[in-house]
Amino acid sequence: GAVVSQHPSWVICKSGTSVKIECRSLDFQATTMFWYRQFPKQSLMLMATSNEGSKATYEQGVEKDKFLINHASLTLSTLTVTSAHPEDSSFYICSAREGEYEQYFGPGTRLTVT
Amino acid sequence: KQEVTQIPAALSVPEGENLVLNCSFTDSAIYNLQWFRQDPGKGLTSLLLIQSSQREQTSGRLNASLDKSSGRSTLYIAASQPGDSATYLCAVSPSNDYKLSFGAGTTVTVRA
Repeated sequence: GAVVSQHPSWVICKSGTSVKIECRSLDFQATTMFWYRQFPKQSLMLMATSNEGSKATYEQGVEKDKFLINHASLTLSTLTVTSAHPEDSSFYICSAREGEYEQYFGPGTRLTVT
Repeated sequence: KQEVTQIPAALSVPEGENLVLNCSFTDSAIYNLQWFRQDPGKGLTSLLLIQSSQREQTSGRLNASLDKSSGRSTLYIAASQPGDSATYLCAVSPSNDYKLSFGAGTTVTVRA
């Protein structure tokens, strides 16, 4: 089956620093990747959609300059949280799809900003 | 804007009992609906995907129905087991771009 990995699974960083999260499709070419954010006991909120080789499309209310997304290849997308603050602490989940097939989700990355 | 609601928020049942999880959505113009399972601190596992033209999907002990006109879907889990304990999420997509709108989930506990 299709497998999506994320790295790291858990990261702690200090306020004001930047942190990068990787999302990889291991056995298929992901033409589209999605980034979600999930607060405790809340639903997933779509942050942005990225297509390989083009700029990401951000959902309303998501700061483009704060959450930098790069989809440089058909198997890798990265989310960089710039100048992180405690309110950015959350669970970040990526998903990937090939063409018009269903999307597959990664295991998530827990970000804690101190 | 699509709103997805899941009731109840939490459910606790003894092992062997059947589970009924509800999902409602405000905009009936959906492309498909998907049910996921999420274990604590983990990502999502897709359980069932129902296209808008379908009424139900089945996989093993799981059965999901879809009534698009009334904006409802129900996930049935037969003969529940402790291993079924997890949070179950419902999500709808408005088109084949698969931009999903999620409900907040129903957290299920199956007591041995």
